Amino acid sequence: EIVLTQSPATLSLSPGERATLSCRASQSVSSYLAWYQQKPGQAPRLLIYDASNRATGIPARFSGSGSGTDFTLTISSLEPEDFAVYYCQQRSIWPPITFGPGTRLDIK
Amino acid sequence: EVQLVESGGGLVQPGGSLRLSCAASGFTFSNYWMGWVRQAPGKGLEWVANIKEDGSDKYYVDSVKGRFTISRDNAKNSLYLQMNSLGAEDTAVYYCARVPDSANIWFDRWGQGIQVTVSS
Repeated sequence: EIVLTQSPATLSLSPGERATLSCRASQSVSSYLAWYQQKPGQAPRLLIYDASNRATGIPARFSGSGSGTDFTLTISSLEPEDFAVYYCQQRSIWPPITFGPGTRLDIK
Repeated sequence: EVQLVESGGGLVQPGGSLRLSCAASGFTFSNYWMGWVRQAPGKGLEWVANIKEDGSDKYYVDSVKGRFTISRDNAKNSLYLQMNSLGAEDTAVYYCARVPDSANIWFDRWGQGIQVTVSS
């Protein structure tokens, strides 16, 4: 089973700042990694798939990069609605499909 | 507009059973893989099961194998999760989610989720 770790666990930033979230896989997942955003009381929303492709309707301030075992989600300039929990997910070797534990992005 | 609406959740005693349903609309249901993802209280996301477009292939996380069964009825645009021998560890919000296809095992649309609580 591929284990995903995310860092930091919590990130406190202000609107307008740049956010950099990390996801690391226990073995190579090539580029088969996705990112999701989840707000309190809501279902997750797909942001990025295949490491760097934005899903339909996702603003350009969200970008993904990386391959192999190290991946990054960058939010170029935080909007108030971006404060949420972010999860990564791999599909390289499955089952099982695995998710990271999440990074909580808080308003500073 | 794509819509996924779960139903069938609730409170069940340990060892009991529950059947979740997910009604799909706004897309050609029979063209998509589908899946279930759950989230225990205050915890992260856990994949539960996926099913191929025609229902011929099914995949499960080890912790539910032999207890849960995913199925679908393409004529009714519906996805199901039969859950047996439930334990406290199965308490979670269960999400129905759409998977683009076998080469893109992501979850691109989600339902609002349904609460399942296993308790005596």
